[in-house]
Amino acid sequence: GENVEQHPSTLSVQEGDSAVIKCTYSDSASNYFPWYKQELGKRPQLIIDIRSNVGEKKDQRIAVTLNKTAKHFSLHITETQPEDSAVYFCADNSGGSNYKLTFGKGTLLTVNP
Amino acid sequence: DSGVTQTPKHLITATGQRVTLRCSPRSGDLSVYWYQQSLDQGLQFLIQYYNGEERAKGNILERFSAQQFPDLHSELNLSSLELGDSALYFCASSAPGQSNTGELFFGEGSRLTVL
Repeated sequence: GENVEQHPSTLSVQEGDSAVIKCTYSDSASNYFPWYKQELGKRPQLIIDIRSNVGEKKDQRIAVTLNKTAKHFSLHITETQPEDSAVYFCADNSGGSNYKLTFGKGTLLTVNP
Repeated sequence: DSGVTQTPKHLITATGQRVTLRCSPRSGDLSVYWYQQSLDQGLQFLIQYYNGEERAKGNILERFSAQQFPDLHSELNLSSLELGDSALYFCASSAPGQSNTGELFFGEGSRLTVL
């Protein structure tokens, strides 16, 4: 069935530290794994994504890793800044055939100055 | 600004009532998605339309219905409202065909409060 589990639900770090958020998925047909950031009162926005043909992707301070065998993927944020504080959602395209996304329940990241 | 427009931004109504939420996708986008966001459930997929036709269905209640019109705007109808329907309803669109990178472009959402 379609299920994306995300951990932790809340994460508090000091400015400059790294943050890691992990997700697991159940549908072996999933082949697209995006991460969305939602600031308070705002809409979700894509920050990075990865497809099943690669194991890692980086974009400045953020990176995503994918382990297809274990069906899990992770978001890594280095040198965190207060403006990184937001709710982060992982997702997959359960079924693999179109871009209907199934989201995890989100992680509230707080970066303390 | 994502280019996706949702109205109304806020809506307060009573139990048992019926409301309609409206969404206009980005210019050129053919797909429209509806998501429900409540505090404890994250972003729940409701339904997807592509060029006027239903493409995928998620956890959408029978009291809810949606459609996409020839001009590609979409409406989500919520009827016999219950307190638990209070949530933020997001519409999103995605680029068509070969232009589709997978990214969903979300609107600002419609916050529904049922009293």
